[in-house]
Amino acid sequence: GAVVSQHPSWVICKSGTSVKIECRSLDFQATTMFWYRQFPKQSLMLMATSNEGSKATYEQGVEKDKFLINHASLTLSTLTVTSAHPEDSSFYICSARKRDTEAFFGQGTRLTVV
Amino acid sequence: GQNIDQPTEMTATEGAIVQINCTYQTSGFNGLFWYQQHAGEAPTFLSYNVLDGLEEKGRFSSFLSRSKGYSYLLLKELQMKDSASYLCAVMDSNYQLIWGAGTKLIIKP
Repeated sequence: GAVVSQHPSWVICKSGTSVKIECRSLDFQATTMFWYRQFPKQSLMLMATSNEGSKATYEQGVEKDKFLINHASLTLSTLTVTSAHPEDSSFYICSARKRDTEAFFGQGTRLTVV
Repeated sequence: GQNIDQPTEMTATEGAIVQINCTYQTSGFNGLFWYQQHAGEAPTFLSYNVLDGLEEKGRFSSFLSRSKGYSYLLLKELQMKDSASYLCAVMDSNYQLIWGAGTKLIIKP
């Protein structure tokens, strides 16, 4: 299957700082990338959908000014958690999809805000 | 509204067979996916069904009935490493993935 690389795999940051998470499709061009969050023992929650070259579409209840998503190219999307707080600690997962095919997931990033 | 239902938890014995069901109601249908997720890891793709019938892939098989809004994932010759959560997801008419809450599968020796 296609390879999606997410970096970093884990990060610890201080409250009030910003953290950037990268998601790259290594061997295909991703027309769409999705960002998910998963709290322990809960299902994946879609945060936003981004199409290359256009603004991300955020799900209801997700603050777009707090979770900045940039999909600048067909192989790279970034999620920046701005002014992170302990309640933002979670597992963040990206997935990338070629047109009309299944989505492939990155490895996930475990964010801990202290 | 859109809805995906699957059991919360199932228990099975090593070497046995287990079937995890998934029923869905979505606005449009462009395929159904099964993913496996081990604790603390990202989901990994298992199968994709868009036509009715059974798709077999080694020890894992996936079945789809679009008229009934129903799918199942069949795992044979269970191994301890199969202990994980299994997520059912449907791609709707907008090509968005609608996720089920996942089924935690516990394998006992």
